[in-house]
Amino acid sequence: QSVLTQPPSASGAPGQRVTISCSGSSSNIGSNAVFWYHHLPGTAPKLLLYSHNQRPSGVPDRFSGSKSGTSASLAISGLQSEDEADYYCVAWDDSLNGYVFGTGTKVSVL
Amino acid sequence: EVQLVESGGALVQPGGSLRLSCAASGFTFNTYWMHWVRQAPGKGLEWVANIKQDGSVKFYVDSVKGRFTISRDNAKNSLYLQMNSLRAEDTAVYYCARALGSGDGFWGQGTLVTVSS
Repeated sequence: QSVLTQPPSASGAPGQRVTISCSGSSSNIGSNAVFWYHHLPGTAPKLLLYSHNQRPSGVPDRFSGSKSGTSASLAISGLQSEDEADYYCVAWDDSLNGYVFGTGTKVSVL
Repeated sequence: EVQLVESGGALVQPGGSLRLSCAASGFTFNTYWMHWVRQAPGKGLEWVANIKQDGSVKFYVDSVKGRFTISRDNAKNSLYLQMNSLRAEDTAVYYCARALGSGDGFWGQGTLVTVSS
């Protein structure tokens, strides 16, 4: 049950900036922290951002996040070929009593 | 080194049962919420269930309530998912994940469950 909506794809040339949106509701993004994960099919998803905009150690500052109301966004600046992957937002939903993932965005580097 | 290693995935007939395991190492297992997350072929990630540090609180996605049971054995640093009454739509790679809702999020490589006759 994906209740967080993301664009299916995003792309940019090397060095450019891409932004991925994540739209939710008052019961999830509107009242809880948002997390972003990077996923290459066949591998373990990796935490990219937590609590909207905090980076775990080892994640470059090219990745940044923000949240406003019931939406969040992930920005990747200085796009690199290694950034090609699927990106997911996730948040706890107070109405469903469970975590909800975004629909996922496939990032391509042109 | 933090590790989560899933096992138990297999081909099972509709209506059958399967028990997944996740062996944790490299961190203090009994201090983290643990989760199962799945990804069906060609689909996105879907959270399945989670369990509190001491096993006293569990939550499930609606589609598996009454069929799946999450559990843990802190003495063995292990997480489990008992899956009963399996359906074709349960076919997915199942991931074990630590602390999904914190800055300590970490996932295993996943184990494939295929439900088919």
